[in-house]
Amino acid sequence: KNEVEQSPQNLTAQEGEFITINCSYSVGISALHWLQQHPGGGIVSLFMLSSGKKKHGRLIATINIQEKHSSLHITASHPRDSAVYICAVAEETSGSRLTFGEGTQLTVNP
Amino acid sequence: EAGVAQSPRYKIIEKRQSVAFWCNPISGHATLYWYQQILGQGPKLLIQFQNNGVVDDSQLPKDRFSAERLKGVDSTLKIQPAKLEDSAVYLCASSLTYRGLGYTFGSGTRLTVV
Repeated sequence: KNEVEQSPQNLTAQEGEFITINCSYSVGISALHWLQQHPGGGIVSLFMLSSGKKKHGRLIATINIQEKHSSLHITASHPRDSAVYICAVAEETSGSRLTFGEGTQLTVNP
Repeated sequence: EAGVAQSPRYKIIEKRQSVAFWCNPISGHATLYWYQQILGQGPKLLIQFQNNGVVDDSQLPKDRFSAERLKGVDSTLKIQPAKLEDSAVYLCASSLTYRGLGYTFGSGTRLTVV
């Protein structure tokens, strides 16, 4: 069992739909990151969370520390949101070394 | 603010050859990371530096991989000799603090070993 699990692995949506990607983890963490990776591209950090909720534009990230669960929401999705979204956690005992989920491939069709 | 710079962007080499990658982190970022991302998988940490000291290199294949961060700024990652299974994207990242504040990734170097 992976320490960080994401669902779904693949997600196809129509432009304008509300999208949710989930992340569950099994270890104590100091922070959780949501990252975005376009094909052939580097990784962009979207959010770093240790509690509560953060919002940036159409993106919202929430975390429930007690339940060891985080969600990334995209409102009014657009084809340019198509990318791999990766959840990564910094374990309490490992400083800032990140353990990554396997990613969610999101495709938004026009 | 300038991001994390990496070069080269792409590299193709034959097996048993040597290769080196370069990373320039964000100015003032004390912590630097090298990750290996094999196609279809999440990144795996190879080595983490705090200033010019190694914090974690437990997953670095030390028989063929080496990394250094002289003067606590730029870093180089070397593979010698390369194997076919080293084909991957090598990502450099930096953060302001050891706890991960300001975590920023570079665009990566895509290595193909033939």
